[in-house]
Amino acid sequence: SAVISQKPSRDICQRGTSLTIQCQVDSQVTMMFWYRQQPGQSLTLIATANQGSEATYESGFVIDKFPISRPNLTFSTLTVSNMSPEDSSIYLCSVEVVREGGYTFGSGTRLTVV
Amino acid sequence: QKEVEQDPGPLSVPEGAIVSLNCTYSNSAFQYFMWYRQYSRKGPELLMYTYSSGNKEDGRFTAQVDKSSKYISLFIRDSQPSDSATYLCAMSNFTGTASKLTFGTGTRLQVTL
Repeated sequence: SAVISQKPSRDICQRGTSLTIQCQVDSQVTMMFWYRQQPGQSLTLIATANQGSEATYESGFVIDKFPISRPNLTFSTLTVSNMSPEDSSIYLCSVEVVREGGYTFGSGTRLTVV
Repeated sequence: QKEVEQDPGPLSVPEGAIVSLNCTYSNSAFQYFMWYRQYSRKGPELLMYTYSSGNKEDGRFTAQVDKSSKYISLFIRDSQPSDSATYLCAMSNFTGTASKLTFGTGTRLQVTL
């Protein structure tokens, strides 16, 4: 299955600033997915990133807050903009494991906003 | 009511015990069921992927799906300290990149020596 490298692994940021998270896959994939994992809550899909088109956002998430880039079939970025303490969470990227079913996840970015 | 309910634990068992982890769901359209294991400071790792009711076994792990009761389980036999992690159930309506996963909140498991 695909191997995903996600950077940074963690960061502490000041409120009002932005952080860009990078996700690199070792093979070409059609879609990449961005999730948020808040303490005590289930993984929540933020958006689906398809190369060459605008990302598709889930209810409750907007492009101005979470802009996504997908410049090629192996790379994507998620930016968390104008951060507040409520954005403190783990952010994960994911791709589908076509032959086996299910999805592979990166190791996550642990974001703390102070 | 959440679409997927999962007891958050923590669940503590001695080494060698049989562990039963469970999820219930309310959406009868769910067809595909997964279990993920997540170690601390790591991303979720796919353990089991099943479709339709019945059992699927892989080594010490058995996934069980009961669609009539909207209930899925993961059994771990001969549990080891290395099994200590958070276990997440996930499900979707269909397979493929258009499918959307709905996750449980995860059960934290601690296997003690």
